[in-house]
Amino acid sequence: DAKTTQPNSMESNEEEPVHLPCNHSTISGTDYIHWYRQLPSQGPEYVIHGLTSNVNNRMASLAIAEDRKSSTLILHRATLRDAAVYYCILRVRYGQNFVFGPGTRLSVLP
Amino acid sequence: NAGVTQTPKFQVLKTGQSMTLQCAQDMNHNSMYWYRQDPGMGLRLIYYSASEGTTDKGEVPNGYNVSRLNKREFSLRLESAAPSQTSVYFCASSEVLAGDTGELFFGEGSRLTVL
Repeated sequence: DAKTTQPNSMESNEEEPVHLPCNHSTISGTDYIHWYRQLPSQGPEYVIHGLTSNVNNRMASLAIAEDRKSSTLILHRATLRDAAVYYCILRVRYGQNFVFGPGTRLSVLP
Repeated sequence: NAGVTQTPKFQVLKTGQSMTLQCAQDMNHNSMYWYRQDPGMGLRLIYYSASEGTTDKGEVPNGYNVSRLNKREFSLRLESAAPSQTSVYFCASSEVLAGDTGELFFGEGSRLTVL
């Protein structure tokens, strides 16, 4: 499974946009880019995923570089509830193994 | 909507004891997973079941066994618990959709301490 690299931690102010980066230089053509987040004392929850094009949903936006070697999760207006560990994961199409790295711990300051 | 339900939520065992973690999902998903999460770490896959009747090893299967009892239920058994198995265990399910990979739905976790 291809590996991803994320910063250990990031900080943001409430109501400001947050850009969470992820590097995946060994990504293959069939790998989907998934983002999950884990709130304190909870299981991870799905945020967004994409293959080649940028994606938007009610939670966030996913910007994928043209060469697909990196991506950025964008939270448009951070709230205190967005404080969590964010995981960037590559998943092979129809693949069964999601490989979770340590993720990025996002702190949101009031 | 219950989603993925795990029992028990907390358990303390002595070294050498056995126990089974239960997981049930009500979303009619084909695939189910067991992960463990150690403090400050990401999740590591223990076993998964791509469909009813099949199970496969993940990254860290040693010391565990699984049973896919039916489409809804996937259990994880520790035959002889060791302190190294102290962790939070998460069950998850997903549906692999045509042309897409499907998202994972997680339970709330089971915190296991082995003394």
